Amino acid sequence: QSALTQPASVSGSPGQSITISCTGTSSDVGGYNYVSWYQQHPGKAPKLMIYEVSNRPSGVSNRFSGSKSGNTASLTISGLQAEDEADYYCSSYTSSSWVFGGGTKLTVL
Amino acid sequence: QVQLVQSGAEVKKPGASVKVSCKASGYTFTSYYMHWVRQAPGQGLEWMGIINPSGGSTSYAQKFQGRVTMTRDTSTSTVYMELSSLRSEDTAVYYCASGNSGIDYWGQGTLVTVSS
Repeated sequence: QSALTQPASVSGSPGQSITISCTGTSSDVGGYNYVSWYQQHPGKAPKLMIYEVSNRPSGVSNRFSGSKSGNTASLTISGLQAEDEADYYCSSYTSSSWVFGGGTKLTVL
Repeated sequence: QVQLVQSGAEVKKPGASVKVSCKASGYTFTSYYMHWVRQAPGQGLEWMGIINPSGGSTSYAQKFQGRVTMTRDTSTSTVYMELSSLRSEDTAVYYCASGNSGIDYWGQGTLVTVSS
């Protein structure tokens, strides 16, 4: 159960769009449509932003969107805002267990 | 509203065990799986395992097999996570979190410190 691969950091200016990738294998990301994305601010519990690849929970801004192609899932944040600065984690189901990515620190310049 | 309330911080010596509780409210306890996720200081999220509160079945990450036990008490809507043979690398915040296809709700976290 190796961790999914995410870039350590990404950055963007307010109003811009950024994309965070999450690469796994055919046994996890590529094999199931159970990819989720979480936002975590310092000292806080994670918050679900996207589930089942591209679905947004109630209350999550439509500036957040998810997609998947093959073994790589992506989270796109459009119209970047200062409050989006946080750590982001992907997660995938994989045969009776779950696995997280290593996390990506998003900096809003 | 959905709430997951965890037990308080713990300090343990190497080799000891710790048992963390998580009391759920605001939803039907048996309707959502309960995950346990930990986060070492300055590190990322690590999935430890899952329990089905309905039947009690569990699945653990390979890394923790043989050292972790997850149980539940349906009469009090509480799940428990016990980790044994603690070492310094187990120092982390431990979260319980509920959900089926995604983890919708998270507890406040329990800091477990392992130190001699």
